[in-house]
Amino acid sequence: QQQVKQSPQSLIVQKGGISIINCAYENTAFDYFPWYQQFPGKGPALLIAIRPDVSEKKEGRFTISFNKSAKQFSLHIMDSQPGDSATYFCAASRLVGSYQLTFGKGTKLSVIP
Amino acid sequence: DTGVSQDPRHKITKRGQNVTFRCDPISEHNRLYWYRQTLGQGPEFLTYFQNEAQLEKSRLLSDRFSAERPKGSFSTLEIQRTEQGDSAMYLCASSLDPWAGGRFNEQFFGPGTRLTVL
Repeated sequence: QQQVKQSPQSLIVQKGGISIINCAYENTAFDYFPWYQQFPGKGPALLIAIRPDVSEKKEGRFTISFNKSAKQFSLHIMDSQPGDSATYFCAASRLVGSYQLTFGKGTKLSVIP
Repeated sequence: DTGVSQDPRHKITKRGQNVTFRCDPISEHNRLYWYRQTLGQGPEFLTYFQNEAQLEKSRLLSDRFSAERPKGSFSTLEIQRTEQGDSAMYLCASSLDPWAGGRFNEQFFGPGTRLTVL
């Protein structure tokens, strides 16, 4: 059972454009939703995270939008740059009890000049 | 550099051999996690420790897998009688409890150990 579904699988965006990646979750007990960025041969790096008590969080060019009723959240990358080309993973976890992160399958982003 | 480190970075072994990986977390972090990542997939949770206690294990962690964290510092993950299906990237992550100054469940990952079983 895939508890976090991520789309699209791959994404090509022009430099300066907006990259949008979407995730949906099933477990209503999840209350922490991070996004990770992974470059080839490296471990995932935490990019930004949100809790369900807010609907949006912005850090620099990265914004998470969260819709609790729809059980969906998304990552927006504004002014996308070639250096943003990487694989992005959404994840979810509980903050009480189990701390394991449940990841989506990832989105490979390519930003072309 | 005070990030999470893992050793070795790459391991090639023959089917049936035993392998052991090491993870050194960020020094003050009390929680340590192991994940497995196969090509084209997101990391999958294997197990986690709070200090030296192993508090949770995934059903992915078969009897051939064992993890330890003696003295609540570094951790080892051993795979016995390796199978070709064990080929994957093994990732370690660490975090610090909020009551100790950490932020929620902010997990920091190491570079991983890539295992290839021939």
